Amino acid sequence: DQQVKQNSPSLSVQEGRISILNCDYTNSMFDYFLWYKKYPAEGPTFLISISSIKDKNEDGRFTVFLNKSAKHLSLHIVPSQPGDSAVYFCAAPDSTDKLIFGTGTRLQVFP
Amino acid sequence: DGGITQSPKYLFRKEGQNVTLSCEQNLNHDAMYWYRQDPGQGLRLIYYSQIVNDFQKGDIAEGYSVSREKKESFPLTVTSAQKNPTAFYLCASSIMGETQYFGPGTRLLVL
Repeated sequence: DQQVKQNSPSLSVQEGRISILNCDYTNSMFDYFLWYKKYPAEGPTFLISISSIKDKNEDGRFTVFLNKSAKHLSLHIVPSQPGDSAVYFCAAPDSTDKLIFGTGTRLQVFP
Repeated sequence: DGGITQSPKYLFRKEGQNVTLSCEQNLNHDAMYWYRQDPGQGLRLIYYSQIVNDFQKGDIAEGYSVSREKKESFPLTVTSAQKNPTAFYLCASSIMGETQYFGPGTRLLVL
């Protein structure tokens, strides 16, 4: 049973436009969510997080929205840049602080 | 420079051979983790350790072993019992309950 799901394996967006990456979860006890960005053959890097007491967190071009009633979060990147092309993972820590990862969405930003 | 290092970057294993992947951190983090990434899949937890001399199995521990004799080191051994070892291995560390930070990864290939 996958507790964190990213149903879109890939997304292609034109440079300058908005990228929206989606993530759904099933465990209503999750109280903190993270987004990681990963380039090929490198470790993931932490991007942005959100606590369940908030519905939005913004950091520069990156904004994460949380809809607790729908158990859904999304990462918005605007404007998208070619350097944003990577795999994005959403994750949530379980009750023992182990991170539960989604399967990732590959974002490609083209000129 | 603070951070997490993994070595080697590439590792080749012969049939029936045990190999050990190194993970070192100088961030003074209590918790350390090993993940495996396969194409099209998210990160799957192999083992984790929340304190020195203690570690727990993750979701896919079979065929792997770890030790945590020092706070800064968490080596992973891929044993001959692991029948499908080819993957990208990622080590992470964190202060308990906080964001995990990842190393650069080790790609293991079978000859």
